[in-house]
Amino acid sequence: AQSVTQLDSQVPVFEEAPVELRCNYSSSVSVYLFWYVQYPNQGLQLLLKYLSGSTLVKGINGFEAEFNKSQTSFHLRKPSVHISDTAEYFCAVSERSSASKIIFGSGTRLSIRP
Amino acid sequence: DAGVIQSPRHEVTEMGQEVTLRCKPISGHDYLFWYRQTMMRGLELLIYFNNNVPIDDSGMPEDRFSAKMPNASFSTLKIQPSEPRDSAVYFCASSLTRGLGNEKLFFGSGTQLSVL
Repeated sequence: AQSVTQLDSQVPVFEEAPVELRCNYSSSVSVYLFWYVQYPNQGLQLLLKYLSGSTLVKGINGFEAEFNKSQTSFHLRKPSVHISDTAEYFCAVSERSSASKIIFGSGTRLSIRP
Repeated sequence: DAGVIQSPRHEVTEMGQEVTLRCKPISGHDYLFWYRQTMMRGLELLIYFNNNVPIDDSGMPEDRFSAKMPNASFSTLKIQPSEPRDSAVYFCASSLTRGLGNEKLFFGSGTQLSVL
C-alpha cells in the first residue's frame, strides 16, 4: 500500500522568501502525485499534479514541484511567497493501478511573516 | 455547479448520541470519498464509493462508523454511538474519473464535529 510522509508539520518563512515543503512517498508500484492546499476554514484545492512526462510540474499561484523517482520525493517549491500563501499544504499519492484511491500526508502548515 | 455540499457545517453532540453527516457530490461525478481530518493524524481516507458502491472501507475506524450512498446525489456517514475521540473535521469529496489518473478531487467545506 502507498503512504506519504511530510516531515515538516510547520514551516515559517518571511514574505518574499523562497520556500520548499518536503514530501516523500512509499509505494511498490508506479504512482501519481498531488499537492493540495487548504486555506483556513475551507476544503482542499488541487495545486498541481504529476502524472507522467516532465518531472517538473507547475501549478497555480506560482508553485511548482519536482518528481524524483530515485529519492521517492515530490517537494513543493515557490521562489517568493506572499502573505496569501498562508495555508496548510497536503501531499498526496495514488497508485496507478487504483488511481482513484488518493492517500494524503499529514500536512504542512505554511505561515508567512511580514 | 454549487460544488460538493456538506451538512451540517458544525455539529456538537454528547457522547453516546448518533451523528449523521451528509454529502451531496457534484452532479455527474462517479466517485465519492469520505475523509477525516485531525491534528494528530492529518487527513485520513475513511471510505470511498464508485457509482454508489463502496469500494474500499478499510479506513473506517470501527464498527461504530458506517457510510451509505443510496443514490448518485447523496451520501451519509453515520457514527453510532459517538465518542469524544471522534471529534474532527469530516470532509466529503467527489471526482469524475476518466481512468487516466488525472482525477481531481473536489472537496466540500467539511463538517466540524465535536463530541462532548
